[in-house]
Amino acid sequence: DVKVTQSSRYLVKRTGEKVFLECVQDMDHENMFWYRQDPGLGLRLIYFSYDVKMKEKGDIPEGYSVSREKKERFSLILESASTNQTSMYLCASSLSRGLAGEQFFGPGTRLTVL
Amino acid sequence: AQSVTQLGSHVSVSEGALVLLRCNYSSSVPPYLFWYVQYPNQGLQLLLKYTTGATLVKGINGFEAEFKKSETSFHLTKPSAHMSDAAEYFCAVSGPNAGNMLTFGGGTRLMVKP
Repeated sequence: DVKVTQSSRYLVKRTGEKVFLECVQDMDHENMFWYRQDPGLGLRLIYFSYDVKMKEKGDIPEGYSVSREKKERFSLILESASTNQTSMYLCASSLSRGLAGEQFFGPGTRLTVL
Repeated sequence: AQSVTQLGSHVSVSEGALVLLRCNYSSSVPPYLFWYVQYPNQGLQLLLKYTTGATLVKGINGFEAEFKKSETSFHLTKPSAHMSDAAEYFCAVSGPNAGNMLTFGGGTRLMVKP
């Protein structure tokens, strides 16, 4: 089974702190994604990566950055956390070919910024 | 550009009743269509997907969906709701040239009454 793990299930940070969210997948997938999920808005894509050291902005990249130094690991960074970044963050991965774009999701990190 | 509309952010049914969750999409290319389910405090899990071939797709837990090109719809159904079906459901679309990018609808929260 594909396994996508996220470093924390719940996280509480203060405004202005630098926050790292880590995601690891064990199926050698090329593509990795970071989404945020807010009630009524569904999932919105923050950043994605289709290869090591490659990254592309999604729909809402402002206030976020990412890092992909190894194929299996994709990190989301909040340089200076703000209260409007309180949300559920979901990581996903997929193969570059086949499976019609099916993505496999981690359990999510619920981040609260005070 | 692709988009997904899920009619009804909340749907309530009685246990044993028919479940119908609506999804309409827009896509300029032949779509790949997905339904994901999210149980409380968990990530998203694939219920079913349509790529090509038979337009009636069966998924896990007794769910099925029918791709209707003329109506640009991919509604999710289950003949008899169970209490364990209470969750949030997301419809998503991608396309063969969309680089494995998924576009999600806003989600529908299904509540099942005893």
